[in-house]
Amino acid sequence: DTAVSQTPKYLVTQMGNDKSIKCEQNLGHDTMYWYKQDSKKFLKIMFSYNNKELIINETVPNRFSPKSPDKAHLNLHINSLELGDSAVYFCASSQDLWDRVYEQYFGPGTRLTVT
Amino acid sequence: AQKITQTQPGMFVQEKEAVTLDCTYDTSDQSYGLFWYKQPSSGEMIFLIYQGSYDEQNATEGRYSLNFQKARKSANLVISASQLGDSAMYFCAMREADSGAGSYQLTFGKGTKLSVIP
Repeated sequence: DTAVSQTPKYLVTQMGNDKSIKCEQNLGHDTMYWYKQDSKKFLKIMFSYNNKELIINETVPNRFSPKSPDKAHLNLHINSLELGDSAVYFCASSQDLWDRVYEQYFGPGTRLTVT
Repeated sequence: AQKITQTQPGMFVQEKEAVTLDCTYDTSDQSYGLFWYKQPSSGEMIFLIYQGSYDEQNATEGRYSLNFQKARKSANLVISASQLGDSAMYFCAMREADSGAGSYQLTFGKGTKLSVIP
């Protein structure tokens, strides 16, 4: 079974549209994340979500909004898509305890292309 | 200032040889963690190895070892006996102490593209 899954794997859409990317983890982890990987392969945190608390990277436009219906899911909604939103989006999860550091498990990524 | 610096955009290594990928970091926290991830051309992110700031011994995982030099703030990845399947992007990442919000975000370096030559 896949630990962290994302759908869709590829998403091609036009500027101005609204789209969502879904993420699910079956690891029982407490925290989930969204990362953006640009064309130069640079990975940057967008959001982290833990126990219903959302931490937002201040550089993320408010067109991006994460939605967590439950602990196993963290979906990413994007409004009014722009060309610069084209990237690979990775979902990740980890089990975070204050006295232990665990690795983050990444989903397979969603390649978003905005035309 | 960058928190994670990987100075080698690309590296070549002969198959079966060892290779060191450099990573330096910048933090004022006493408690932090350092990670290495591998991203093959297929795109997935694969966790390789972790080193905690309080760990006294260098981490090892199979052919991967982390050369942790705390005073120099470096956490270099050493891959022994390189294989063709090691050709990939390698990312160093840091996780700093909890800000109180209860989650730990990774800050990534820009990556090093490793090519293993047969």
